[in-house]
Amino acid sequence: DAGITQSPRHKVTETGTPVTLRCHQTENHRYMYWYRQDPGHGLRLIHYSYGVKDTDKGEVSDGYSVSRSKTEDFLLTLESATSSQTSVYFCAISRGDVGRNEAFFGQGTRLTVV
Amino acid sequence: GEDVEQSLFLSVREGDSSVINCTYTDSSSTYLYWYKQEPGAGLQLLTYIFSNMDMKQDQRLTVLLNKKDKHLSLRIADTQTGDSAIYFCAESIGSSNTGKLIFGQGTTLQVKP
Repeated sequence: DAGITQSPRHKVTETGTPVTLRCHQTENHRYMYWYRQDPGHGLRLIHYSYGVKDTDKGEVSDGYSVSRSKTEDFLLTLESATSSQTSVYFCAISRGDVGRNEAFFGQGTRLTVV
Repeated sequence: GEDVEQSLFLSVREGDSSVINCTYTDSSSTYLYWYKQEPGAGLQLLTYIFSNMDMKQDQRLTVLLNKKDKHLSLRIADTQTGDSAIYFCAESIGSSNTGKLIFGQGTTLQVKP
C-alpha cells in the first residue's frame, strides 16, 4: 500500500457521539481524499484536500468535516454520528500532477454507528 | 451530473475470459481507471487509459474505450480464481490534476474452478 495508514481500522460508536478518523501518508502527496463505500453505491467522495488547510466538499459532505494541518495527515470528523454514517471509509492520496493522476487508497476504516 | 454505471455481478469459469463493462457520462474525462478490491482490502489500481486511446493492453488485461458511446470495458484473459474480486471503473472529473474520481458501483467477479 502506497504509504497510507488509516486509524482506527474498526470502530463501533453510539448515535450522537463525535468520531474522528485519521489518515496518515508518508508519500508527501499534495491531494488527500475521504470516500465512503456502501453497497450499491460504489465509492462516493466526502471531502478532499489540495494542500495544508485547503479543503473542499465532495458529493456527500453533509454531517462531515475535515482538517489538514500537516501535509501527511487528513482527519475526517463526524460531529454527531448517525446510523446512516455506518459505512467503510477510505482515504486516498494523489500527487496532483498535471495529466495522469491516479489515486492510491488506504485499507479502510469500518465504522458502525449503533 | 457525472455518473458511472456498471453491471453488478459476473460469473465465469477458470480459464475463460471475463469482460466487465462500464458507461460514463463526462465526455471531458481525461483518464479512466480500473481498480480491483479484494475482500477486506482497499482499492488497488489495475490499469488506466487516456481518453485519446481506443485500446490498451497490459499482460492479461485489455481495456477498450469507445468515446462516442462513452463505454469502457476491461477484459481479463485466462481468468484465475485469484481474480475473484470487485472491479470498479472510475472517471476523472474536474481539472485533470485534482485526482477527483467518480466511481461506478463495482462489478463482483466470481471465478468458478
